[in-house]
Amino acid sequence: AQSVAQPEDQVNVAEGNPLTVKCTYSVSGNPYLFWYVQYPNRGLQFLLKYITGDNLVKGSYGFEAEFNKSQTSFHLKKPSALVSDSALYFCAVRDSSGGYQKVTFGTGTKLQVIP
Amino acid sequence: DGGITQSPKYLFRKEGQNVTLSCEQNLNHDAMYWYRQDPGQGLRLIYYSQIVNDFQKGDIAEGYSVSREKKESFPLTVTSAQKNPTAFYLCASSIGVGGASEQFFGPGTRLTVL
Repeated sequence: AQSVAQPEDQVNVAEGNPLTVKCTYSVSGNPYLFWYVQYPNRGLQFLLKYITGDNLVKGSYGFEAEFNKSQTSFHLKKPSALVSDSALYFCAVRDSSGGYQKVTFGTGTKLQVIP
Repeated sequence: DGGITQSPKYLFRKEGQNVTLSCEQNLNHDAMYWYRQDPGQGLRLIYYSQIVNDFQKGDIAEGYSVSREKKESFPLTVTSAQKNPTAFYLCASSIGVGGASEQFFGPGTRLTVL
């Protein structure tokens, strides 16, 4: 069975500082990994994904994520946080091996950027 | 929220009532999904559909039903058998089921049981 863990319910960071939102995963095969962002009372918006290849993935709004196979992690990062980045962030994983595999979402991390 | 619309935005249900949530997409995607979101629990899959006239149960299908008569539409009915339906419901679509396709989400419907 596949799973995703987001160990922090909330992350606080000062505006202008770098931010990291953590994600670890477990799959039996190779993973497809995704990050989504959700603003209050809205649907999720896709930020970026890892399929294969370069371990550093760049996405929307200046976000990037680093895939680490040995640590089974896919942390979301941004060099300089904006107040407008405050939102709920979800990591998700899908096993790439054989047939249809659903996407499993983490429980979400609330990012609060403090002016 | 891309090319997916959900209606209504807010819905109130009385005990014993069935209600239907609408989901329409103009992205020409084959796959569509329904998720339920509760605080602190992430997203849980209710049903998904890979193609017209075909759909599969997800992790929490009990008390819900769906149809997929058109590629663009995937309505969800919350029946009276669903004991705790108060939640935020999200519809999504993707190019295909499986693989590395990301999902596109609608704005959601918040259902409250009175």
